[in-house]
Amino acid sequence: EDQVTQSPEALRLQEGESSSLNCSYTVSGLRGLFWYRQDPGKGPEFLFTLYSAGEEKEKERLKATLTKKESFLHITAPKPEDSATYLCAVQAIMTTDSWGKFQFGAGTQVVVTP
Amino acid sequence: EAQVTQNPRYLITVTGKKLTVTCSQNMNHEYMSWYRQDPGLGLRQIYYSMNVEVTDKGDVPEGYKVSRKEKRNFPLILESPSPNQTSLYFCASSFSGANSPLHFGNGTRLTVT
Repeated sequence: EDQVTQSPEALRLQEGESSSLNCSYTVSGLRGLFWYRQDPGKGPEFLFTLYSAGEEKEKERLKATLTKKESFLHITAPKPEDSATYLCAVQAIMTTDSWGKFQFGAGTQVVVTP
Repeated sequence: EAQVTQNPRYLITVTGKKLTVTCSQNMNHEYMSWYRQDPGLGLRQIYYSMNVEVTDKGDVPEGYKVSRKEKRNFPLILESPSPNQTSLYFCASSFSGANSPLHFGNGTRLTVT
């Protein structure tokens, strides 16, 4: 069964204090790994898609990396506006019972204080 | 503006009273899906639809129904709601479902008493 585990559950950072979030996954074959940001009271907002081990994507202070078993979301010199819950999700390669399914982790809540 | 619209945003109902949560997208997306979000459990997929008239179960389909009669709409139906269906619900769509990122609505907070 596909599983996605995110750690830590919560992270409190000082402004400028870089850190990394982890998303470990088990899936029969990875079609794609997705990172989302969720602000309170809103739906998740897409950040990145990663498809194969070794791939990296960057956007402003965020950088996502992928290995065969996990993905990291690195936050460099965070600002208070980076405070949010970060979710990762995996989609498996098409099989008869998993086509169209996305498996989400429980998320990491990040708070960045000035 | 490209968006996924859910209604209502908040809903309080009683056990057993049928309800429908509507979802509409204006991006001509093939794929649509429903999720529930509960503390500590993350987002769990209820149902998804790869195209019109094609729907399939996600991980937690019990107690829910869906239909996809038109490309833009994907309503979630609770025929006989129970308190364990109290949750935050999200509708999402994507261009094709495969390798395409999901676009989410702003959620419907449902309370069943």
